Amino acid sequence: SQTIHQWPATLVQPVGSPLSLECTVEGTSNPNLYWYRQAAGRGLQLLFYSVGIGQISSEVPQNLSASRPQDRQFILSSKKLLLSDSGFYLCAWSSGETQYFGPGTRLLVL
Amino acid sequence: AQRVTQPEKLLSVFKGAPVELKCNYSYSGSPELFWYVQYSRQRLQLLLRHISRESIKGFTADLNKGETSFHLKKPFAQEEDSAMYYCALSTSMDTGRRALTFGSGTRLQVQP
Repeated sequence: SQTIHQWPATLVQPVGSPLSLECTVEGTSNPNLYWYRQAAGRGLQLLFYSVGIGQISSEVPQNLSASRPQDRQFILSSKKLLLSDSGFYLCAWSSGETQYFGPGTRLLVL
Repeated sequence: AQRVTQPEKLLSVFKGAPVELKCNYSYSGSPELFWYVQYSRQRLQLLLRHISRESIKGFTADLNKGETSFHLKKPFAQEEDSAMYYCALSTSMDTGRRALTFGSGTRLQVQP
């Protein structure tokens, strides 16, 4: 069966520091991969999606970037974190219409 | 552009009462709609999709294209239904693949 992992679960980082959040999927090949941010009171916002290795599409301009170095690995990064980057980051995968979500990473930028 | 609106941030009902979580959408194409649920300390997960016309955990949702709505309903709420509910619209991306646009979510509290 398919599983999706995210780490770390929680992260506290100072403003201006770099960021790397990792997401991996098991049990499927060539999945569509997504990064969402869940901000308080604002629901889920799609940040990036990827249809294949090295193929990244950005939905909103921001301080973040994404990469897909392997078929089942999706990384969310930043060179310098901002206070506004705080939030709950969710990775998801799909092979059809349904998306399956990871456990999420809570990021607090101080 | 596509948009999903969930007008209620919080809906509080008593156990046994009917529940209706509202969802309205705007999309120029043919809509495919979903309800996702996130129980406390659990992952966001699919509850139901309109194309399957199924009932999950007693919940149903009917797509009303005239009113552009996809409200989630349950005739008798249970305490274990307390969770965060998100309405989502599947839309086509430039690559031809599809992605989800989510509403802001409604927290359902079912009181004993």
